[in-house]
Order: sequence, then C-alpha cells, then structure tokens
Amino acid sequence: EVQLVQSGAEVKKPGESLKISCKGSGYSFASYWIAWVRQMPGKGLELMGIIYPDDSDTRYSPSFQGQVTISADKSISTAYLQWSRLKASDTAMYYCASQARGAGFDPWGQGTLVTVSS
Amino acid sequence: QSALTQPASVSGSPGQSITISCTGTSSDVGDYNYVSWYQQHPGKAPKLMIYDVSKRPSGVSNRFSGSKSGNTASLTISGLQAEDEADYYCCSYAGGSHYVFGTGTKVTVL
Repeated sequence: EVQLVQSGAEVKKPGESLKISCKGSGYSFASYWIAWVRQMPGKGLELMGIIYPDDSDTRYSPSFQGQVTISADKSISTAYLQWSRLKASDTAMYYCASQARGAGFDPWGQGTLVTVSS
Repeated sequence: QSALTQPASVSGSPGQSITISCTGTSSDVGDYNYVSWYQQHPGKAPKLMIYDVSKRPSGVSNRFSGSKSGNTASLTISGLQAEDEADYYCCSYAGGSHYVFGTGTKVTVL
C-alpha cells in the first residue's frame, strides 16, 4: 500500500524547536517531490515548500522562506519539517504529500497537529 | 504568489450538477496545464480528485470532472450525493517549482 505516515501530535512552548516527520512506503519515495502543507485552524491549505528526496533539492514558498527548514533522508524514506523557534502562530495542522500523480499531490499523510502555547 | 480565487460556498440538491471555479493569473492557471483539485472532509486529510486539469485518479468517481479556460479552472460534480459535502481546493503550478492553492469552497448538499 502506498502511504505516508506522519509523526504524532506535538504541544510546544513559544521559542522551542521542533522537527516533525513523514515516512513513505509502498513506492519509490526518493523519486517524487514531497510537499509540506499548512492548515491553520478553520483555514485553507498553504503549500510551504517541496523537496526532492533523491538529491534534497528544496524549494520554499516565499511566505515560508527562512521560517522553516525542510529536509529528507532517502535512506529511510523520510521527510522532515523543522522549526528553530516556534511561535504561537505556528499552531496548525501540517500535512505532507507526495507528487506521485502527475502534478497532483497523492498520497497525503494523516497530518501532524502542532500546538504552540505558553 | 496570491491564493487562487474560489467561491466561498456552492450548494446543490442531490442529483444536480455543480461547478466550482478557480481563478488565477496568466502566471499560474493560465500558463500551465497543472491544475489539481482536492476534497477535504472535516478532520480528514485532503484527497486528490483531479490532476493535470482533467485527469482522474483511479478510484475517484467519474462524477467528478475538471476543465480549464484561460486563467480559470473548474471542477464539476455531477449527480451530487450527500457524501460530496466537503471542502474543495484547487492548486496550480506557478513556475519555478512553486505551487499555489485556492481559497477553498464549501460544498453543501441541500
């Protein structure tokens, strides 16, 4: 089965660091771009950036450049999204998705809820 | 990059057809045949319904179809069913490996 499995929910304080993960299985993970998508509470989808696991070529959407770091380890079919200093405004659901269907994103991970609160 | 513009809500009765529009610019929707559509039920991850403007992944009902004209893409749902009630998002390639999502449309089945 082709799937992406994300790490579990996180509760952090402002200023803390965090790294969440997205592990692929059932397909050639390294050969397809992986996207990270933010969904703030009650809001729409925002593409944060994409990474090509095979060579770690990474592209950030302008709004997220410098705010997060996207990385991947193709040896374990895993992509990462990390923050060095979280803010309350980072509270959101974060999804990873693979561009394994033309220019469409499929499959998607189940989402990782990040809550940042003092 | 600004979000693509979608109507906030669209509604229809069971069995009817509805169309959701997705308006971008000549730099995204109008320049590439890389528009995709996603369905999201409350508390669930998005699901790909249409990719590359009009292609349907296996397993997606043929009641869903996509098209594009100029800077506007459209998703049509025919034979509307209760299970189609969800949020729908379009997404377009915008060059330079950048993608932009639409503002989202809530579909209500009356």
